[in-house]
Amino acid sequence: EIVLTQSPGTLSLSPGERATLSCRASQSISSNYLVWYQQKPGQAPRLLIYDVSSRATGIPDRFSGSGSGTDFTLTISRLEPEDFAVYFCQHYGGSVWTFGQGTKVEI
Amino acid sequence: EVQLVQSGAEVKKPGESLKISCKGSGYSFTTYWIGWVRQMPGKGLEWMGIIHPGDSDTRYSPSFQGQVTMSADKSINTAYLQLINLKASDTAIYYCARQSGGLGVWGQGTTVTVSS
Repeated sequence: EIVLTQSPGTLSLSPGERATLSCRASQSISSNYLVWYQQKPGQAPRLLIYDVSSRATGIPDRFSGSGSGTDFTLTISRLEPEDFAVYFCQHYGGSVWTFGQGTKVEI
Repeated sequence: EVQLVQSGAEVKKPGESLKISCKGSGYSFTTYWIGWVRQMPGKGLEWMGIIHPGDSDTRYSPSFQGQVTMSADKSINTAYLQLINLKASDTAIYYCARQSGGLGVWGQGTTVTVSS
């Protein structure tokens, strides 16, 4: 089972700043099956990025994903007030899928 | 509009069982896998497993194997998550979600409270 470790646990930033979130896998992720979600309080998660770097429908281009192998990054180029939330990475594919523990982006 | 609508909140006693439903609409229900995700209060997301409604092929997370049962009735476009022998630690929000390059469409979540 692949373990995903996200860092930092909390990121304190201001609107307009750049956010860089990390997701590290315990073993190499094949076929680029790495996704990112955003979750706001009281809401279901929302898919942001799939297959490492493809934006889901309706996701603004300030969100971007990158990485390969075991190291992956979600970047928010300029934080908007609505971007303050918790972000999770997930590996899917094979028999067991896993989530990272999440990174909270706060003001 | 593609939608997943889950059954309502439940309050149960320890030892009881529960079946949560997740009804899909606006797309071909038998084409996409449906995943189940648990979120305990104030915690992160846990992948429980996934089912293909077309043939009921199911994959469980080792953490939940034997504790839950996933099923689907394709005649009514509905997937189910059954929890048995409930404990207080099963108190959580349970989400279903459609798998397509990640979990792209989510149900609204079903809050389950287990308390004596």
